[in-house]
Amino acid sequence: GAGVSQTPSNKVTEKGKYVELRCDPISGHTALYWYRQSLGQGPEFLIYFQGTGAADDSGLPNDRFFAVRPEGSVSTLKIQRTERGDSAVYLCASSYGGTDTQYFGPGTRLTVL
Amino acid sequence: QKEVEQNSGPLSVPEGAIASLNCTYSDRGSQSFFWYRQYSGKSPELIMSIYSNGDKEDGRFTAQLNKASQYVSLLIRDSQPSDSATYLCAVRGGNTNAGKSTFGDGTTLTVKP
Repeated sequence: GAGVSQTPSNKVTEKGKYVELRCDPISGHTALYWYRQSLGQGPEFLIYFQGTGAADDSGLPNDRFFAVRPEGSVSTLKIQRTERGDSAVYLCASSYGGTDTQYFGPGTRLTVL
Repeated sequence: QKEVEQNSGPLSVPEGAIASLNCTYSDRGSQSFFWYRQYSGKSPELIMSIYSNGDKEDGRFTAQLNKASQYVSLLIRDSQPSDSATYLCAVRGGNTNAGKSTFGDGTTLTVKP
């Protein structure tokens, strides 16, 4: 079946702009995760959804970052007033439940100029 | 101190040799342990999960867990050039939330023909 998909694959924006990154999980997966990965580092947890609600948003670095999953499927990560330090690969993963295997999408490479 | 520590490498082994990758973690309450493989420019791919002390074997891969020592390792037997990648250790569960995974920064493995 189809895996996790993320759009866009690449996003280049200017400092101060607003961006939205989309994640489409594997069908039937109730849990969805956002991570970001900088070069040479492991993925850094941002937020975890169980269904429509954010079960753990402790990894969001500040209030410029926000994520939603209104219907319990597709999720959007929103970043306001982007900064150069936000440049990274943003990875989405999904799983059947919070304790099951996480399957990663291909990521969105965000570059803030 | 990072929550999950790995030797960054690079680790270089000849084809056919055993590659040994190590990981330590700080949260004693951690319940689930994972090894992911990440090829350059790609997203992480799960290769092994382990939940209880001891060894778990899957083909050429063996994961070893010692919760008392807070240590998890991955052995790759009969290493192949196609095993050349970054290997990420991830830890889940513990005192916070079952869904969140904490990753190390990875060990880069090169298998030389």
